[in-house]
Amino acid sequence: VQVVESGGGRAQPGRSLRLSCRVSGFVFGDYALTWVRQAPGKGLEWVGFVRSKSFHATTEYAASVKGRFSISRDDSQSIAFLQMNNLRGDDTGVYYCARLSHDYGGAYFDYWGQGTPVTVSP
Amino acid sequence: YVLTQPPSVSVAPGQSARLPCGGVNIEKNKRVHWYQQRPGQAPVVVVDYDNDRPSGIPERFSGSKSGNTATLTISRVEAGDEADYFCQVWDASTNHWVFGGGTKLTVL
Repeated sequence: VQVVESGGGRAQPGRSLRLSCRVSGFVFGDYALTWVRQAPGKGLEWVGFVRSKSFHATTEYAASVKGRFSISRDDSQSIAFLQMNNLRGDDTGVYYCARLSHDYGGAYFDYWGQGTPVTVSP
Repeated sequence: YVLTQPPSVSVAPGQSARLPCGGVNIEKNKRVHWYQQRPGQAPVVVVDYDNDRPSGIPERFSGSKSGNTATLTISRVEAGDEADYFCQVWDASTNHWVFGGGTKLTVL
C-alpha cells in the first residue's frame, strides 16, 4: 500500500490550494480516506474525511475548516483531493492523507502518506 | 470530546513506560487508537481498538482502559521507542475524530 500526497506549497492568506492524495496497493473505491494536519511543532489535528462510494462518498469536516475546505475523490484514478479555500495563517502545517481501516466511524488510520507542507503567509 | 495527554514522559531503557490519555467515560464509551510518530516521519498506528496490535508491532506495546483513562504501555523500552505518541477516538455525537495533544517519550 502506498499513499502519496502532493500539491503543497506557499499561498497568501485568502487564496486557495488543492492537495492530492494518490494511492495504490488496494481497491481504492472500497475505502474511506481522511486528511490530518500538523502545525509546526504541534500535535495532530483531524481535518476531514470522505466515505467510500458505498456510503455515497459523503464527507465530514472539523469545525476549524468547515465551509472553507472540501474533500472529494475520483475512484477511477485512485485519487482524493483536499480543496482549501480562504486560507489562513493557522492552516500552515504538514497535511497527511491516510486510509481508514474500514468505512464507518470508529475506524483507525492504517496507512499514511509522508505528508505535504503548506505555508500560508503574506 | 477532549483527550488529555501529558506533554512528556521519561523512562530508562529496559523499564516500562505508561502513557495516559484522559477522556470522560473513556473506558465505557470509547474505543481508543494509539499512534507513534518519530521525528520527521508520518504517524504509525501501534495499538487499535483499545488493545489490538497491527501486524508488525512488537508485543511490547499494549493498551488498556480504566474509568476516565486509557493507557499505552511500552514494556522493555528501547532507544528506538523515543517518539511522540497520540491517542485517538471517534466522537459519534459529531462524526469527528479527536486526537489527544500527544506525549513525547524520552528514553534516558
